Amino acid sequence: ETGVTQSPTHLIKTRGQQVTLRCSSQSGHNTVSWYQQALGQGPQFIFQYYREEENGRGNFPPRFSGLQFPNYSSELNVNALELDDSALYLCASSQNQGLETQYFGPGTRLLVL
Amino acid sequence: RKEVEQDPGPFNVPEGATVAFNCTYSNSASQSFFWYRQDCRKEPKLLMSVYSSGNEDGRFTAQLNRASQYISLLIRDSKLSDSATYLCVVNYNAGNMLTFGGGTRLMVKP
Repeated sequence: ETGVTQSPTHLIKTRGQQVTLRCSSQSGHNTVSWYQQALGQGPQFIFQYYREEENGRGNFPPRFSGLQFPNYSSELNVNALELDDSALYLCASSQNQGLETQYFGPGTRLLVL
Repeated sequence: RKEVEQDPGPFNVPEGATVAFNCTYSNSASQSFFWYRQDCRKEPKLLMSVYSSGNEDGRFTAQLNRASQYISLLIRDSKLSDSATYLCVVNYNAGNMLTFGGGTRLMVKP
């Protein structure tokens, strides 16, 4: 096990609602990255938080937002949910933005009806 | 055109076979390269990094051709437990964003 945890494991929402997903990083890691993985596709980078600041963003609209807390855990918030937001949301933690030491959590499966 | 392209497969091979996956990337400024493995309904896990000189880890060999912007993964003596989706991953800048290919599904059969 990587030590990266995510909650909830599964979630069902309806269009237009808002959702908050949570990620606890591995002990000693100060960097959290969020990815969206649609069915049958590879993960797509949403954004990264490093020491509580956003540190890079992928091609996602502003209704995808996040934050990182002093203990380096992180939240992903999605407003005005759309059907296409249905996906597996993965967070990955690392130390000082390291790539080879980036460990993924088990993900949150979101279904938007 | 996708930034990282892979044949989605599936590749159906018998145990003991040798199988090769290829991947192409579009951004010549790419700096770091990886292969990840993802089991069904699980999170991706780093399989190996890919270096310009090529690298080997047991039955797995990864190669990088920067001139052709091409990455490969060779699996020798396939095991049933190798059945998974293999994701080609590229990093364009030091620090943050990983760009994933769509994955290649491998099924190893008895």
